Amino acid sequence: AQRVTQPEKLLSVFKGAPVELKCNYSYSGSPELFWYVQYSRQRLQLLLRHISRESIKGFTADLNKGETSFHLKKPFAQEEDSAMYYCALSTSLNTDKLIFGTGTRLQVFP
Amino acid sequence: KAGVTQTPRYLIKTRGQQVTLSCSPISGHRSVSWYQQTPGQGLQFLFEYFSETQRNKGNFPGRFSGRQFSNSRSEMNVSTLELGDSALYLCASSSSGQGSTTQYFGPGTRLTVL
Repeated sequence: AQRVTQPEKLLSVFKGAPVELKCNYSYSGSPELFWYVQYSRQRLQLLLRHISRESIKGFTADLNKGETSFHLKKPFAQEEDSAMYYCALSTSLNTDKLIFGTGTRLQVFP
Repeated sequence: KAGVTQTPRYLIKTRGQQVTLSCSPISGHRSVSWYQQTPGQGLQFLFEYFSETQRNKGNFPGRFSGRQFSNSRSEMNVSTLELGDSALYLCASSSSGQGSTTQYFGPGTRLTVL
């Protein structure tokens, strides 16, 4: 069965510290991986996707098929990064269906 | 462009009743997906519609149904409500219904079942 696991419910760091939000997936085919973010009182929005290999707001994520992971990283956390982060898996490019992890709340203290 | 809109934003119903939620996608978007968000289960996929056709369905009982209209607006219906149906229901739209395009989420409808 397809599954996305985010082992940490809460991650707390100080401003300027590196951040790594963990995401592991279970899928035997070729996955499409995404990170979505929800800031306080805002809508869920796409942060980045692995096929774009882009860096958004200083965040990057590399798909590691051997370890079935797609960890989100940022070298220097900012207070405005505090939000709920969801890792999501799509099993096909011909569908919008996403399988979400349970999310990790990132708190960045000043 | 206006974002995805969902109506109503809040709803209180009692067990056994039925409810209809509405989602208006971004203009020009043909794909609409629905998700249920609860503290215990997180975000779970309900359905996906593209050009009025249901393309995918999640593991929910038959009490959950949906449809899409020719203008791409979508509705979902839950019949015989149960306490466990209390949740935030999110819809998302995209232009092509292919995973490579960005999905835009609405603010959600918060359903409370008493």
